[in-house]
Amino acid sequence: SAVISQKPSRDICQRGTSLTIQCQVDSQVTMMFWYRQQPGQSLTLIATANQGSEATYESGFVIDKFPISRPNLTFSTLTVSNMSPEDSSIYLCSVETGRFQEKLFFGSGTQLSVL
Amino acid sequence: KQEVTQIPAALSVPEGENLVLNCSFTDSAIYNLQWFRQDPGKGLTSLLLIQSSQREQTSGRLNASLDKSSGRSTLYIAASQPGDSATYLCAVKETSGSRLTFGEGTQLTVNP
Repeated sequence: SAVISQKPSRDICQRGTSLTIQCQVDSQVTMMFWYRQQPGQSLTLIATANQGSEATYESGFVIDKFPISRPNLTFSTLTVSNMSPEDSSIYLCSVETGRFQEKLFFGSGTQLSVL
Repeated sequence: KQEVTQIPAALSVPEGENLVLNCSFTDSAIYNLQWFRQDPGKGLTSLLLIQSSQREQTSGRLNASLDKSSGRSTLYIAASQPGDSATYLCAVKETSGSRLTFGEGTQLTVNP
């Protein structure tokens, strides 16, 4: 299993500002994943963060809007840049563990509201 | 493209009732299927993981089954309790290195 600490747990931000979300894992993991969950919807993968290389972004998500850092095997940050009300969502980090990296564990999420 | 559907979208039951949540997926060539629980405004908690070679997994009052050929999984909750109230999501992984595809969840309310 994995214990993931994510912060902040929630924030209310003004349009045009940026917010950085931090995710700390209690063990070393190869990949960390960042998801977005818009109100009333399911989870959508934003990007996969590998230590020592650029993050891999999914269709519809770009690095300028969601820059990601992965300085080591236990930590990652996601920044939501130049925010608009449409960015109001829950943002979640997750990792895979298990012998074949088959089980997914999530942080507690960051509930973001943009005014 | 894999699509995951969960029915019903919402369910309200009295305490003590046994219930079944459904998850269907369009591509039966999956690697595993995972059921999660999400409390309002929170992250996801993994409940059960079923590998593609397995038919079911059990944990306490929860039992998840998998029928790959028909593209279906069910989550059975026995003797439901108000503390079971949450949104339940299923997610399918197609290969060992691929991303998960999530359903939209079933919002469960168990009334005392």
